[in-house]
Amino acid sequence: AQSVTQPDIHITVSEGASLELRCNYSYGATPYLFWYVQSPGQGLQLLLKYFSGDTLVQGIKGFEAEFKRSQSSFNLRKPSVHWSDAAEYFCAVGDGGDDKIIFGKGTRLHILP
Amino acid sequence: GAVVSQHPSRVICKSGTSVKIECRSLDFQATTMFWYRQFPKQSLMLMATSNEGSKATYEQGVEKDKFLINHASLTLSTLTVTSAHPEDSSFYICSATGTADLEAFFGQGTRLTVV
Repeated sequence: AQSVTQPDIHITVSEGASLELRCNYSYGATPYLFWYVQSPGQGLQLLLKYFSGDTLVQGIKGFEAEFKRSQSSFNLRKPSVHWSDAAEYFCAVGDGGDDKIIFGKGTRLHILP
Repeated sequence: GAVVSQHPSRVICKSGTSVKIECRSLDFQATTMFWYRQFPKQSLMLMATSNEGSKATYEQGVEKDKFLINHASLTLSTLTVTSAHPEDSSFYICSATGTADLEAFFGQGTRLTVV
């Protein structure tokens, strides 16, 4: 069965430091992969997605993610975080031939001034 | 951790009928619930945001009269697809945020097929 694991429930980094949020998935074929961000009281916002092609995907707000098939991972990175990046981040996997989507449990990012 | 239960997980209905999807927060009070629709090979689309006791706020392009959202209690929100058509067939998913720290929790989703 498909699954998505975000092993870190909370992560705290200092403003200006680099960030990596981990995401591992379990899926039989090549999945469609997404990273979303949710700020308090707001709906999800798509940061980036991977469907095929270049395994390093650039997104909005300076985020990027790399699809590593051998590790079944799709980690999200940002070289220098800003206080406004404090939010909850969700990794999701979709079925390429379908519309079902499964979310990880999310990682809450805290930023220290 | 907190659990959001979405029911049914799958439903098949005939064109012209209405279908109700429930989203329940099992162990916390959900002040805000979000309803999303997932299209194949696309990102999630936010349909509406509902706060307990008030009318839902619909995103642009979402028909209010077709997708009725009710959030009558702090643990239950419902999405009713009225007069369903085959183009309404999709995967619908809800999420809920509580009062404590506004952390979001997702339901398992509902696969709607209109025939």
